Amino acid sequence: SQQGEEDPQALSIQEGENATMNCSYKTSINNLQWYRQNSGRGLVHLILIRSNEREKHSGRLRVTLDTSKKSSSLLITASRAADTASYFCATHPGANSKLTFGKGITLSVRP
Amino acid sequence: DGGITQSPKYLFRKEGQNVTLSCEQNLNHDAMYWYRQDPGQGLRLIYYSQIVNDFQKGDIAEGYSVSREKKESFPLTVTSAQKNPTAFYLCASSRQGGYTFGSGTRLTVV
Repeated sequence: SQQGEEDPQALSIQEGENATMNCSYKTSINNLQWYRQNSGRGLVHLILIRSNEREKHSGRLRVTLDTSKKSSSLLITASRAADTASYFCATHPGANSKLTFGKGITLSVRP
Repeated sequence: DGGITQSPKYLFRKEGQNVTLSCEQNLNHDAMYWYRQDPGQGLRLIYYSQIVNDFQKGDIAEGYSVSREKKESFPLTVTSAQKNPTAFYLCASSRQGGYTFGSGTRLTVV
C-alpha cells in the first residue's frame, strides 16, 4: 500500500528557479523522508523530518511538515540541471515498521 | 567505503526459470528490504528482514522468496510463480532513520 502521494506528478522549471514538491499522507507518522532517484539508479536519502519538527534545512533543500494537514513539502532553491531526477516522499509510522513510498515526482530542470 | 551492493546490474530470465538477485551490505545494518519498481508505480515492498534468520512478507511477496542467513546478505529469488517479473529491483538497508539503497538490478524476461 502506498501512503504518500506526491504532487505534482511532473514538474519542469528553468535553471535558477525554485522547485516545490508536495506530499500528502493518510495515517499518523513517526517521521517523513525525501529521496532522490536518478534515472536507472538507486534512491538516495535527502532529508528526514520527525513528526515533532516543522521545518528542516539541508543545503539548498528545505522541508516542511504539517501534521495537522498530513502534508509535507520539499523546496529546492536555485535549481540546477543536475537536480533533474525523480523525488519520492516516504512515511515511517514508527518503531519496527517500514517505509512506505509514494509514486514520485519527475523534476526536469532546463539549462 | 561502506555501502550496499546489488548484483548483477542486468539479468535476463527465461520463462519458467528461477533467478536469484544478490544484495550485500557492509554497513552493519540490522534491517534489509527488497522493493520492486515499475514505471509510474513507485516502490512496492516485496520482503523485509529486521534481524538475521527472520524475514516478513511485504505487500507483493507472491512469487518471491528470500533468506537471511547472514547479517550482511539478503538474496531475493524470483521464482517461476511470479508471472510478471520484468521490473527494476532495489535492495535497501537501515539501522534507524534513512534507508541506504543499492544501485538496483533490472530483470527482464526473454
